[in-house]
Amino acid sequence: AQKITQTQPGMFVQEKEAVTLDCTYDTSDPSYGLFWYKQPSSGEMIFLIYQGSYDQQNATEGRYSLNFQKARKSANLVISASQLGDSAMYFCAMRGSGNTGKLIFGQGTTLQVKP
Amino acid sequence: DTGVSQDPRHKITKRGQNVTFRCDPISEHNRLYWYRQTLGQGPEFLTYFQNEAQLEKSRLLSDRFSAERPKGSFSTLEIQRTEQGDSAMYLCASSSPETGELAGGLINYEQYFGPGTRLTVT
Repeated sequence: AQKITQTQPGMFVQEKEAVTLDCTYDTSDPSYGLFWYKQPSSGEMIFLIYQGSYDQQNATEGRYSLNFQKARKSANLVISASQLGDSAMYFCAMRGSGNTGKLIFGQGTTLQVKP
Repeated sequence: DTGVSQDPRHKITKRGQNVTFRCDPISEHNRLYWYRQTLGQGPEFLTYFQNEAQLEKSRLLSDRFSAERPKGSFSTLEIQRTEQGDSAMYLCASSSPETGELAGGLINYEQYFGPGTRLTVT
């Protein structure tokens, strides 16, 4: 069975500093995709970044980068130069088995950025 | 370009009542997903439509739940005889393979989420 584990229920970071949010996954599929979403208090899920299992390089999107370590089955999100607006819940997700594209989410990490 | 919309945003109902939620996906998206999110947890997959066909249902979708997507456009999720355990945020998402990227043979179907419907069963 596929599973996503986020072991940090809550994290604090000082404004303008970098922070790493942990994510480990378990799957037997040879090909898979990993996603990070941000969920502000308003509730909407906002797509941040995607990493394919065969991608040779770590994904980057602006201030977001994904530290993908395939052998360790980890896909940590790094946010550089944190901003107050980054305070939110962050979810790591994996594309599930089959062709539907459904996502399997972790439990999430609450990030609070301190001024 | 409008995103995914959901209606209502909030619903309070008494136990035993029926409720129906609506999701309007991004117009060119043929894939539509329903997820349920309880407090402090990540979303859990409920069901998936490709056009008007419901191709996958989670075991979480009990007999009291039914979803439709007539004509492959908007979708509805109905919960009959609501229970307090149904209280949750119900999220809808849509995607299109035409917007995906080929990565090692795996198409990335980026899903766009709506704002959700928060259901409270009293």
